[in-house]
Amino acid sequence: RKEVEQDPGPFNVPEGATVAFNCTYSNSASQSFFWYRQDCRKEPKLLMSVYSSGNEDGRFTAQLNRASQYISLLIRDSKLSDSATYLCVINSGYSTLTFGKGTMLLVSP
Amino acid sequence: NAGVTQTPKFQVLKTGQSMTLQCAQDMNHNSMYWYRQDPGMGLRLIYYSASEGTTDKGEVPNGYNVSRLNKREFSLRLESAAPSQTSVYFCASSPDRGRGYTFGSGTRLTVV
Repeated sequence: RKEVEQDPGPFNVPEGATVAFNCTYSNSASQSFFWYRQDCRKEPKLLMSVYSSGNEDGRFTAQLNRASQYISLLIRDSKLSDSATYLCVINSGYSTLTFGKGTMLLVSP
Repeated sequence: NAGVTQTPKFQVLKTGQSMTLQCAQDMNHNSMYWYRQDPGMGLRLIYYSASEGTTDKGEVPNGYNVSRLNKREFSLRLESAAPSQTSVYFCASSPDRGRGYTFGSGTRLTVV
């Protein structure tokens, strides 16, 4: 099993839709979790950290399920500007973060 | 707020040439990293420096060397470029190991 796995997509949704991505991880000792966003031909940027109790930032909600070893990202009321690749990122207790390969989201008018 | 600055932004090399990619951060971060990103492969760690004076290999270190010149600067050197090193290279920094990273805007390198 790969350390961090994501559905590569693309997820094609209309504006205003709600969309959710999951990410599974293999190391049960993983300590911290993040979602990054990467626009085409740009650098990844931190979208939000994921906390055990779940957390929300505007239209974005992140959840952690330690028992099943996955994190999720929910985007409500999708905007055209949400089109990007979303990277799941895990700190497994090593010196560096582990990045998933990303899920591509395409929001259409 | 410059954050993480990478130079150059674009580079074309001939096979066998050498070059150094420069990275500097102004956030007083302890840890710095070099990644490469290829289509379908995601971000792969080349080298990292957990703190000033230390460097460690990542997932794909072959063909590269690094220097943590001081707390601000972390350079990546290709001694003899190969077409397989054609990629987008990202430098990143973080306050400490394993915490959220700030990335530079990347260097697009083509080796012909």
